[in-house]
Amino acid sequence: KNEVEQSPQNLTAQEGEFITINCSYSVGISALHWLQQHPGGGIVSLFMLSSGKKKHGRLIATINIQEKHSSLHITASHPRDSAVYICAAARGAQKLVFGQGTRLTINP
Amino acid sequence: NAGVTQTPKFQVLKTGQSMTLQCAQDMNHNSMYWYRQDPGMGLRLIYYSASEGTTDKGEVPNGYNVSRLNKREFSLRLESAAPSQTSVYFCASSPLTGSSYEQYFGPGTRLTVT
Repeated sequence: KNEVEQSPQNLTAQEGEFITINCSYSVGISALHWLQQHPGGGIVSLFMLSSGKKKHGRLIATINIQEKHSSLHITASHPRDSAVYICAAARGAQKLVFGQGTRLTINP
Repeated sequence: NAGVTQTPKFQVLKTGQSMTLQCAQDMNHNSMYWYRQDPGMGLRLIYYSASEGTTDKGEVPNGYNVSRLNKREFSLRLESAAPSQTSVYFCASSPLTGSSYEQYFGPGTRLTVT
């Protein structure tokens, strides 16, 4: 079993839908990162959180430390949100353990 | 600011050839990282440099060497390329040492070893 599991692996939705991507981890962490990988391959950091909730525009990330679970939500989804979303658990001084990613496709 | 830059963007090598992947950042970050990304595997850490003058192994260091040339530059060398090293390589940097700090990624180098 991977230390970091994401679900679903693939998600297709219609423009405007509310999107939820889940991330579960099996070990203690100091923080959790959400990253976005564009179709062209570039990776951008979206959030880094260690408790509670963060919001940036239409994106919201939450984490429940006790349940070892984090979610990434996208409100009013748009085709430009189509990308691979990756969660990564911060373990130890330098180590990030990455999930395998969720491929999101938003159709117009 | 260019952020994190990597060269080359694409490379094809024959088995046994050597090459160096270059990475530079202009954000005055202390820490730099090399990752590889393979289908179905997620990103995996090859080597990292917590600060100028130090380097340490990550999860998959075999077959690679690194040099932290100065605060800006962190290179990854393949001495004798193998087909198993076919991958996309990402360099990243972080302002401070530690995995609880946001990392900034370069555009990646797609390497094919035949």
